[in-house]
Amino acid sequence: SQELEQSPQSLIVQEGKNLTINCTSSKTLYGLYWYKQKYGEGLIFLMMLQKGGEEKSHEKITAKLDEKKQQSSLHITASQPSHAGIYLCGAESNQFYFGTGTSLTVIP
Amino acid sequence: KAGVTQTPRYLIKTRGQQVTLSCSPISGHRSVSWYQQTPGQGLQFLFEYFSETQRNKGNFPGRFSGRQFSNSRSEMNVSTLELGDSALYLCASSLGPDRGRYDGYTFGSGTRLTVV
Repeated sequence: SQELEQSPQSLIVQEGKNLTINCTSSKTLYGLYWYKQKYGEGLIFLMMLQKGGEEKSHEKITAKLDEKKQQSSLHITASQPSHAGIYLCGAESNQFYFGTGTSLTVIP
Repeated sequence: KAGVTQTPRYLIKTRGQQVTLSCSPISGHRSVSWYQQTPGQGLQFLFEYFSETQRNKGNFPGRFSGRQFSNSRSEMNVSTLELGDSALYLCASSLGPDRGRYDGYTFGSGTRLTVV
C-alpha cells in the first residue's frame, strides 16, 4: 500500500502562476524530503524537513511540514518552465520510500 | 565534487539475459541504495548497502541482487531478464546508514534498461 500519497497527480500551469503540491503520509512523519526529477533522469534534492512546523525555502520553492496532519506541502511561486518535472516526496522508516509523484508542466 | 555516477546510461537486453549495473557514490559516502522506477509502480526501493553488507532489501524477487565493494562502489545484477524489468534504475548515496535523514541522499542520473 502507498504510504506517501501526493496530490495532485499532475498539474499544468501557466508561467507565472503559483502552485502547491501536497504529500500525505499514512504513518507518522519524522522527516520529509522533496526531490525533483527531470523526465527520465536522476533525482535532484530540493530540501529536507525534520521538525513539525518547519518551513524551508530555496529560490521560489517553499516547503512546509505539518507533523500533526502527517502532511507536507511544496509551494512554487511565480512558476517558470524550468520548474517543470516530476516532484517526489520521500520519507524514511527502515528504508527510504517515495511518494506517488506529481508531474508539473509549465506553459510559457 | 563529483556526483553519483551510474554506468551505463542506457542498456538494451534480451529476455533471459542477465545485466550488471554500476554505481559509484560520492567520495566519502559509504552507503548506496538502489531503486527501480517504472511508470506503473513509481520509485521502488531495491536494496541498500553499507560497508559491503546489505542492510535492507525491498520486495523484489531473488533475480535482483547486488553487492558493494571496499571502495563503496556498488553493482546490481538482474538475472533472467523479463520484459517487466524494463525501467530506470537509480542509485543514491549517503554518508552512511541513518545519515541520509540528516544529510540527504544524492542520486545518480540512472541507467535506462530496456528488455526486448
